[in-house]
Amino acid sequence: GQSLEQPSEVTAVEGAIVQINCTYQTSGFYGLSWYQQHDGGAPTFLSYNALDGLEETGRFSSFLSRSDSYGYLLLQELQMKDSASYFCAVRETGGFKTIFGAGTRLFVKA
Amino acid sequence: DADVTQTPRNRITKTGKRIMLECSQTKGHDRMYWYRQDPGLGLRLIYYSFDVKDINKGEISDGYSVSRQAQAKFSLSLESAIPNQTALYFCATSLRTGGQETQYFGPGTRLLVL
Repeated sequence: GQSLEQPSEVTAVEGAIVQINCTYQTSGFYGLSWYQQHDGGAPTFLSYNALDGLEETGRFSSFLSRSDSYGYLLLQELQMKDSASYFCAVRETGGFKTIFGAGTRLFVKA
Repeated sequence: DADVTQTPRNRITKTGKRIMLECSQTKGHDRMYWYRQDPGLGLRLIYYSFDVKDINKGEISDGYSVSRQAQAKFSLSLESAIPNQTALYFCATSLRTGGQETQYFGPGTRLLVL
């Protein structure tokens, strides 16, 4: 079956580093994406990994290990505005559609 | 102006009523999607369309139908609404670039079925 697992909630302190993990089991695999969603808002794209390794975009980095079916989103120098839900998503080769995880709610405390 | 728009933004309806949610995009993307979001369940795919003549069922298509009237328009219908269809509905578009596919979401439609 298809499944993406990520923690439901993570809490961290402003200025700290937090890692949100995602493991997946899907029908084929093109790549792993991450989306951010603030309360009341729409999901917005953050990053994409197709190959193993780390991709860095400012304070956010995303990692993928295809052999382990695992990835993570790393948020550095946390700010209050980073409080949001974060979704991992896998684009499958079968059907070419994207499957989303249930999301991780990040709470950033002062 | 927003690239992906959804109407209505909020809707209250009664059980058994037919309701249509509309999505329009100015991004020129060929692919469009309908998702529903429920607390703790993330985004679940209802239907998707890769072009005007291509419609595909997603994970949870029962009780829903869609129409791709044009490249820019993709409508979702609930033929006979029921309370467990109360949810936040998102339309999304995408343009495939190699293997990567970034999805762009509309602002969402909050639907309450009484």
